[in-house]
Amino acid sequence: GIQVEQSPPDLILQEGANSTLRCNFSDSVNNLQWFHQNPWGQLINLFYIPSGTKQNGRLSATTVATERYSLLYISSSQTTDSGVYFCAVEFINDYKLSFGAGTTVTVRA
Amino acid sequence: DAGVIQSPRHEVTEMGQEVTLRCKPISGHNSLFWYRQTMMRGLELLIYFNNNVPIDDSGMPEDRFSAKMPNASFSTLKIQPSEPRDSAVYFCASSARGHEQYFGPGTRLTVT
Repeated sequence: GIQVEQSPPDLILQEGANSTLRCNFSDSVNNLQWFHQNPWGQLINLFYIPSGTKQNGRLSATTVATERYSLLYISSSQTTDSGVYFCAVEFINDYKLSFGAGTTVTVRA
Repeated sequence: DAGVIQSPRHEVTEMGQEVTLRCKPISGHNSLFWYRQTMMRGLELLIYFNNNVPIDDSGMPEDRFSAKMPNASFSTLKIQPSEPRDSAVYFCASSARGHEQYFGPGTRLTVT
């Protein structure tokens, strides 16, 4: 069936390290978003990126729609980057976001 | 813009009581979504409104759950009667059709 798969499920980083999170999806998409759920439970929009590359400070994302994957890069990680990162996609001919299971990131000082 | 507004932020109630959660979407957004998040099931879509009309309520777990959107700036999710297994964080999100969704801060519901 239609799926959104994220890897790795868990990631432990030392402050200052770089990391890459991956999202694979099983069909063509209208929309792809990355969210950060912080330790207080808030879901924060990081990127709206159905294709191409975007950067926002220490974060950047790339979606290769033809190969059905997206990558989220965290550079020079900080403890405030801890939380769960979700990839969510809106498949073609759909209206709702399908969420991956998330990657739990822990950044240690 | 203030973003998506939800109230209350926390709700503790006893089993059998009625619970009403409220949401004000971002002005100009015509799509509204209610989600539920639990450790076991992750984020689940409960219901989707477009232009105030419920389009898909297949995610509503049972008849105890109902949702309304009387106008473009207000929606409610009601649980009657509530049960302990309804304990979760309930999120409201809104979007302009075809654009990114923005989530509210959530309502943490505890049913004892």
